Amino acid sequence: AQKITQTQPGMFVQEKEAVTLDCTYDTSDQSYGLFWYKQPSSGEMIFLIYQGSYDEQNATEGRYSLNFQKARKSANLVISASQLGDSAMYFCAMREGIFRYGGSQGNLIFGKGTKLSVKP
Amino acid sequence: GAGVSQSPSNKVTEKGKDVELRCDPISGHTALYWYRQSLGQGLEFLIYFQGNSAPDKSGLPSDRFSAERTGGSVSTLTIQRTQQEDSAVYLCASSLQLAGATGELFFGEGSRLTVL
Repeated sequence: AQKITQTQPGMFVQEKEAVTLDCTYDTSDQSYGLFWYKQPSSGEMIFLIYQGSYDEQNATEGRYSLNFQKARKSANLVISASQLGDSAMYFCAMREGIFRYGGSQGNLIFGKGTKLSVKP
Repeated sequence: GAGVSQSPSNKVTEKGKDVELRCDPISGHTALYWYRQSLGQGLEFLIYFQGNSAPDKSGLPSDRFSAERTGGSVSTLTIQRTQQEDSAVYLCASSLQLAGATGELFFGEGSRLTVL
């Protein structure tokens, strides 16, 4: 079974609008971390945002926010006020078995990604 | 350098040859990862090193693939008897794994391998 599922291979959004990229995950661990990365056409991997399973508040970083619904095992990325430069592949990833109060050992498992295209 | 450094950036080889890909992580990062990304696809986990612990090799696709990390720093990924399906971008990443840190991965620019 896939650990990380991103069901949207491609998405289009109009410039200045908000967009939600879906991510669901599968784990039996109580302690885990969820990450989102952006990969522009240049190929570099850019870290966007992190959510720990014990974090009570949804993570936010500038125009990025993570809609974390633990019971549904979903960690959707919301990008507000889309810009042309947001056009890229977006990957959701999970690390299992993190310690409750920090600690961050273990590998990251990535989803297959969503290609976001922002239209002018 | 300040970031993760990988070499070579591009490698073209003939089927059946061995190749070595090198990764120099960010200084002080104790964890090092190798991933493979085929064209237009996601990242496939290969291997993970954490300090002096035994590496997690669960993602290596066959015994033709091996990796080592010397002195807790530089890592080499070796692919023996390359096959055309090995063609991909091989990404290396490192992270700082301390209490309180999120442990996000910092990626290199990748080594693009083409097997003819």
